[in-house]
Amino acid sequence: DAKTTQPPSMDCAEGRAANLPCNHSTISGNEYVYWYRQIHSQGPQYIIHGLKNNETNEMASLIITEDRKSSTLILPHATLRDTAVYYCIVRVHGNQFYFGTGTSLTVIP
Amino acid sequence: GAVVSQHPSRVICKSGTSVKIECRSLDFQATTMFWYRQFPKQSLMLMATSNEGSKATYEQGVEKDKFLINHASLTLSTLTVTSAHPEDSSFYICSAAGTSGFTDTQYFGPGTRLTVL
Repeated sequence: DAKTTQPPSMDCAEGRAANLPCNHSTISGNEYVYWYRQIHSQGPQYIIHGLKNNETNEMASLIITEDRKSSTLILPHATLRDTAVYYCIVRVHGNQFYFGTGTSLTVIP
Repeated sequence: GAVVSQHPSRVICKSGTSVKIECRSLDFQATTMFWYRQFPKQSLMLMATSNEGSKATYEQGVEKDKFLINHASLTLSTLTVTSAHPEDSSFYICSAAGTSGFTDTQYFGPGTRLTVL
């Protein structure tokens, strides 16, 4: 079962930052948080992952709370091509991913 | 880097036939591969985990005799849907994870759309 909950949908204006929240209150100490996105009829695309510290790469930033019970994915300057379903996933000890329902992000011109 | 391919991208078959889907990691060695199924407007559902050279581990409710998984090399896994029926029509997606210079991040293939008539 998925260990994460996310809002079903969000809108964001083009050029603005998109902040996507995720709750994972039952996460264990050694379980990583991963973010992927899926554009219609394609395989999920890796975005970023983290354990405790905040992370940043060329696509996004990941902010993890100190108690690790929630995180936020930040797309700093959203474009129309960022419209997708975003999945927050906790990787369990066997390396399996159990996908939740994700957040459908719509970037509005 | 970290490219995963699937073949075919789309397949239509008659009820009762078997269909094989290939998943390849193109630029890294995948010690573990995963198979998912996704129905319209739903999330991905993990079907099974396979490690190179060993039997796959199936998730609860997934019939191992119907969905045959072979992971014969570090770059190839196959999923065979045996005696396919219309209810098996779905989007099948594989992913691969390796440790050759990569973390255990899963990289996903583009998916295979199966339609059973």
